[in-house]
Amino acid sequence: EIVLTQSPDILSLSPGERATLSCRASQSVSRNYLAWYQQKPGQAPRLLMYDPSSRATGIPDRFSGSGSGTHFTLTISRLEPEDFALYFCQQYGSSPLTFGGGTRVEMK
Amino acid sequence: EVQLVESGGGLVKPGGSLRLSCAASGFTFTSYTINWVRQAPGKGLEWVSGISGTSSDMYLADSVKGRFTVSRDNARNSLSLQMNSLRADDTAVYFCARDPRGNGWYFDLWGRGTLVTVSS
Repeated sequence: EIVLTQSPDILSLSPGERATLSCRASQSVSRNYLAWYQQKPGQAPRLLMYDPSSRATGIPDRFSGSGSGTHFTLTISRLEPEDFALYFCQQYGSSPLTFGGGTRVEMK
Repeated sequence: EVQLVESGGGLVKPGGSLRLSCAASGFTFTSYTINWVRQAPGKGLEWVSGISGTSSDMYLADSVKGRFTVSRDNARNSLSLQMNSLRADDTAVYFCARDPRGNGWYFDLWGRGTLVTVSS
C-alpha cells in the first residue's frame, strides 16, 4: 500500500499569498496518477486536480498541480477567502487507492 | 441537476447491520463506476468499495471484505452498500463518489454523505 504524507499539517497564510502544499509517496506513484481535493467543514470533497496537473471542471487557474514519482505539489498562486479549507491528495496508480492525511490552509 | 444523494445512515450496535443507498441523477448512471469513500470523525478519507457500470467488477477494501457488499440497480439509478458485522471503527461519514474515467479511480462528483455511528 502506498502511504501518502502531506506537509505541512497546517499552513497559515493571508489572502493574496501563495500556498504550496506537498504530498510525498512511500513509493513511486504509477503513471503519476495523483489527484487533489478541497474539503470545507460539513461538505463533501471537491476534485481540484488530477493526472496530476489537469484542472477539474470549473476550477480556477490559480490552482495548479505538479510533480512526479514520489513528490507532488499543489500550488494556489493567490489565496482567495474561499480557498481556506482542508486539502487532500490521493493516488490512484495502484491498489488500494490511498489518501494523504490532509493539509489545512488557515487564515493568518 | 447532476448529483449523488446518500441515505440510510444512523446509529447501530456493534455486530449489527445497516444498508446505505446512493441515488444518482442528472447523468448516465450506467456509464460510471461508483464508489464508497468514508471519513471517520476528524480524520482523513478511506476508500471502501467500487462497482463498475454493469456490475461486472466489484471491489472492496481489505478492511471491509467479508463484511460489506456493494450492488447497484441501474433501472433505479441507485447504489447500495450492505454493511454487516459492524465495528466501532466503521463509524464514519460515508460518501458515494463518481469515477469519471471508468476505473480511473479518482472522483469528480461526490454526495454530501451519510453518517454511520457504531456504538453500544
